Amino acid sequence: QKEVEQDPGPLSVPEGAIVSLNCTYSNSAFQYFMWYRQYSRKGPELLMYTYSSGNKEDGRFTAQVDKSSKYISLFIRDSQPSDSATYLCAMEEDSSASKIIFGSGTRLSIRP
Amino acid sequence: EPEVTQTPSHQVTQMGQEVILRCVPISNHLYFYWYRQILGQKVEFLVSFYNNEISEKSEIFDDQFSVERPDGSNFTLKIRSTKLEDSAMYFCASSNFGLAGGQYEQYFGPGTRLTVT
Repeated sequence: QKEVEQDPGPLSVPEGAIVSLNCTYSNSAFQYFMWYRQYSRKGPELLMYTYSSGNKEDGRFTAQVDKSSKYISLFIRDSQPSDSATYLCAMEEDSSASKIIFGSGTRLSIRP
Repeated sequence: EPEVTQTPSHQVTQMGQEVILRCVPISNHLYFYWYRQILGQKVEFLVSFYNNEISEKSEIFDDQFSVERPDGSNFTLKIRSTKLEDSAMYFCASSNFGLAGGQYEQYFGPGTRLTVT
């Protein structure tokens, strides 16, 4: 079983739709959960950083973590064409600057 | 807004040659990382570096690889004898003690595309 699993997509939705992106993981030691956005041939850009279970909201983005189910989600409200990118979920075991384990990324396209 | 920078943006080299990839982390950050992403694959951790020594390295980071912080601003990744399979995007990242709750958010540079021919 892969440590972090993410549906690669592609996912195509119309502008203004709510987007839901998800990852599952198998390592119960993961405590910190992130979502990065990556445009083609660019570096990952940190969108959300969360600790433990619960929700965190930042503008149009909401990150949700359910540690009991080993499941994390990113919701994008009022999606825009500029949100078209690959979204990477990522996780760390502890906060002491440890390695990040990335999902394979979901390619998202927002149709105008 | 401070950012991680990397040079060159694209490096082409012949198999067996040595390459050095350069990074300038965010200025007040203390932890440095290299990751790589082979085309179409996931981003993979290579190595982390703190206080002038390697903190952690992956199985990918073998004796062909080395890292160095030669001065107060640069952080380099050296590949001694490149192989075809080293062709990838190499990302540098840096982090510091987080502003909220002690998290160490890692910020990534734009990457160096390494092509080994």
